[in-house]
Amino acid sequence: DAGVIQSPRHEVTEMGQEVTLRCKPISGHNSLFWYRQTMMRGLELLIYFNNNVPIDDSGMPEDRFSAKMPNASFSTLKIQPSEPRDSAVYFCASSLRSQETQYFGPGTRLLVL
Amino acid sequence: QQPVQSPQAVILREGEDAVINCSSSKALYSVHWYRQKHGEAPVFLMILLKGGEQKGHEKISASFNEKKQQSSLYLTASQLSYSGTYFCGTEGGGGSEKLVFGKGTKLTVNP
Repeated sequence: DAGVIQSPRHEVTEMGQEVTLRCKPISGHNSLFWYRQTMMRGLELLIYFNNNVPIDDSGMPEDRFSAKMPNASFSTLKIQPSEPRDSAVYFCASSLRSQETQYFGPGTRLLVL
Repeated sequence: QQPVQSPQAVILREGEDAVINCSSSKALYSVHWYRQKHGEAPVFLMILLKGGEQKGHEKISASFNEKKQQSSLYLTASQLSYSGTYFCGTEGGGGSEKLVFGKGTKLTVNP
């Protein structure tokens, strides 16, 4: 299996622009997680889905962030408008079931200028 | 609530042992351990479920004390490849289903 696939791997954008991060989970996995990692706050869960349905989005920082999972093989995390404080590494992870081993994608390094 | 890891950083010589601790103020259903190398994604090491079990993975093992709400990761005869940041992720009971990660322990193994 190819593992969790994320794109883009790097993104540099200007404040106010819309940013869309993409994730393809491992085939057959029913749970998908979006994390954000910064030096200050560590690894934070933003939102997770079970069977394409958002279960917990309490970690989404504010309305500028939104996530969708239109089908079992694709999810997006959108930031609109982006701000410099959104600069971080965003990881997508998937697991067979929500309480099992999570497999992380390579991450998207986002820099908002 | 974010679990607390200690120490924040540790430096070892190859062949030495280390212990990394993870404590929570809330009752735990499970503890997950991950290792992340610089510039890479976290990689799963092991899961411990409540019941106080101990698990092993090569020369890396872990214990979970449900009563004390803490877990410890033991690295024995460390190798250079063990260098990285170790994270514990804790899952509470009641079907919360999500992991809350500690801030990590940076382990450096020198020759």
